[in-house]
Amino acid sequence: DIQMTQSPSSMSASVGDRVTITCRASQGIATHLNWYQQKPGKAPNLLIYAASSLQGGVPSRFSGSGSGTDFTLTISSLQPEDFATYYCQQGYIIPRTFGQGTKVEIK
Amino acid sequence: QVQLQESGPGLIKPSETLSLTCSVSGGSISGSYGSWIRQPPGKGLEWIGYIYYSGNTNYNPSLKSRVTISLDTSKKQFSLKLGSVTAADTAVYYCAREKGSGTYWFSDLWGRGTLVTVSS
Repeated sequence: DIQMTQSPSSMSASVGDRVTITCRASQGIATHLNWYQQKPGKAPNLLIYAASSLQGGVPSRFSGSGSGTDFTLTISSLQPEDFATYYCQQGYIIPRTFGQGTKVEIK
Repeated sequence: QVQLQESGPGLIKPSETLSLTCSVSGGSISGSYGSWIRQPPGKGLEWIGYIYYSGNTNYNPSLKSRVTISLDTSKKQFSLKLGSVTAADTAVYYCAREKGSGTYWFSDLWGRGTLVTVSS
């Protein structure tokens, strides 16, 4: 299985901050990397697919980059509704695997 | 638009078989995979497996010996069976649509999830 490791596991930030979350794969996955946002009690919501493609309806303050083993999710200006947990997932091989999550909390 | 909804017992006993159904409404998931993903309370996401609309399946090797995913196209449903459950199988179970765009695959549509508790 491909192991996905996110950092940090949690972070505190303020509204308006630029936030960066990283995800590292245990082997190369080209750009087969997805990002999801999950709020408490809700299902995950797809933000980014193919490492950098913004899912329809997702605000443009979210962006993704990277290829191979190292990837980044950036929120350019954190909004109140962005406080949530973020997961990366590889869509390269079976089994699909997720990072452990990054919880973004209010500072 | 297409929606997914999980249904099934919320409480089952150890050693029993967990059975859940995902109902598709507002359209179909033909051309996509119907996936099951679970999340133990307070923990991360674990992919269980998926079924293509043609009926082909793939499972997580860690669960493969206990998992069966099946499809009922006439009812627009796909189902999960997980045998010999223990407390470690307690989780919110999500069904999702895994959709392809070129060679890229991602879960763009999710059900709301259903909590299954394994306890005697």
